[in-house]
Amino acid sequence: GAVVSQHPSWVICKSGTSVKIECRSLDFQATTMFWYRQFPKQSLMLMATSNEGSKATYEQGVEKDKFLINHASLTLSTLTVTSAHPEDSSFYICSAKVRGPNTEAFFGQGTRLTVV
Amino acid sequence: GENVEQHPSTLSVQEGDSAVIKCTYSDSASNYFPWYKQELGKRPQLIIDIRSNVGEKKDQRIAVTLNKTAKHFSLHITETQPEDSAVYFCAATPQGKLIFGQGTTLQVKP
Repeated sequence: GAVVSQHPSWVICKSGTSVKIECRSLDFQATTMFWYRQFPKQSLMLMATSNEGSKATYEQGVEKDKFLINHASLTLSTLTVTSAHPEDSSFYICSAKVRGPNTEAFFGQGTRLTVV
Repeated sequence: GENVEQHPSTLSVQEGDSAVIKCTYSDSASNYFPWYKQELGKRPQLIIDIRSNVGEKKDQRIAVTLNKTAKHFSLHITETQPEDSAVYFCAATPQGKLIFGQGTTLQVKP
């Protein structure tokens, strides 16, 4: 299958600082990328859907000014957690797919964010 | 918005037995239903998917059935093996999104 690379795998940051997470599709053009948050032993909660060249569509309850998503190219999307707080500590994972409603989505390896 | 319900949350079977996981969805616009397997600390991996123009699909020991009228779909694993132990997620795809069920932790006892 296609490869999606997410970086960093883990990050520890101080409260109040911002953290950027990158999601790259290495061998295909990802017209759509999804960002999820996953708490321990829980499901993947969709935060936002990002289509290349367009503004991200955020799910209800997700603060778009806090979780900035940029999808400027067909191979790169970034999630920036601004002014991070301990409650933002979680596992963030991206997923990428090509255009079309019935195509497979491939996942990055995830980023463990710890805010201290 | 779309709501995907998945049951059971945990499932324990003896090696060689079958396992069945069921999901329901609410948005009739969904027409693609993938199933993912996530092992501890790893990324989700697609194991099988089904499109709305098909009622059943099989791949070796894994099969998926879809009832669009009732808005439910199921994953069937036969002849389970210890390496099948993982968390399984169903998903639906309304309005260009990918929405997951709550997950099922499958334990296959040797």
